[in-house]
Amino acid sequence: TQLLEQSPQFLSIQEGENLTVYCNSSSVFSSLQWYRQEPGEGPVLLVTVVTGGEVKKLKRLTFQFGDARKDSSLHITAAQPGDTGLYLCACGGATNKLIFGTGTLLAVQP
Amino acid sequence: NAGVTQTPKFRVLKTGQSMTLLCAQDMNHEYMYWYRQDPGMGLRLIHYSVGEGTTAKGEVPDGYNVSRLKKQNFLLGLESAAPSQTSVYFCASSTTWTGVFNSPLHFGNGTRLTVT
Repeated sequence: TQLLEQSPQFLSIQEGENLTVYCNSSSVFSSLQWYRQEPGEGPVLLVTVVTGGEVKKLKRLTFQFGDARKDSSLHITAAQPGDTGLYLCACGGATNKLIFGTGTLLAVQP
Repeated sequence: NAGVTQTPKFRVLKTGQSMTLLCAQDMNHEYMYWYRQDPGMGLRLIHYSVGEGTTAKGEVPDGYNVSRLKKQNFLLGLESAAPSQTSVYFCASSTTWTGVFNSPLHFGNGTRLTVT
């Protein structure tokens, strides 16, 4: 069974700091999606990465797909309180169903 | 454009009671999904549907039933609720099979269910 592990589980930082969260798989994945979930709402897709080594930027967020296609990272520059939320990675598993990681809960203090 | 709408938002049940969670999408998506979200366990797929009139089991289907009589609606039923079914339930939809074709999942805002 393919597993997605995210680290850290929790992160509390001050506004303006930089941070990186990680998503690691026990198996190679074909693609990976990153979602953000705000309190009381459903997850919303941020980005999909497909190619090994791929880097995508979304304003202050930088997403990287590992060369070996078993890991991904999300870097946030100059975090803002609006970045607060649960960050989830998800990939297509061996059964072609989407598997979600357990998430990183980020709190950005003003 | 409402997207994916879930009702109710909150519900408290006693053990053994039954209920139905409603999900409606207005994006004409073929694929619909029910997930449950528990602390430390991420989102787990309960059941899914690849089109009107079809349903299939996901990762954690026991204790749940589903129906998709109309393309826009996907219902999740609990026939005899148990405390282990206390969770937040999310409905989602997509244009193609998300696990293969990378189409994004569009989620509702969830139903928080407590079974006492």
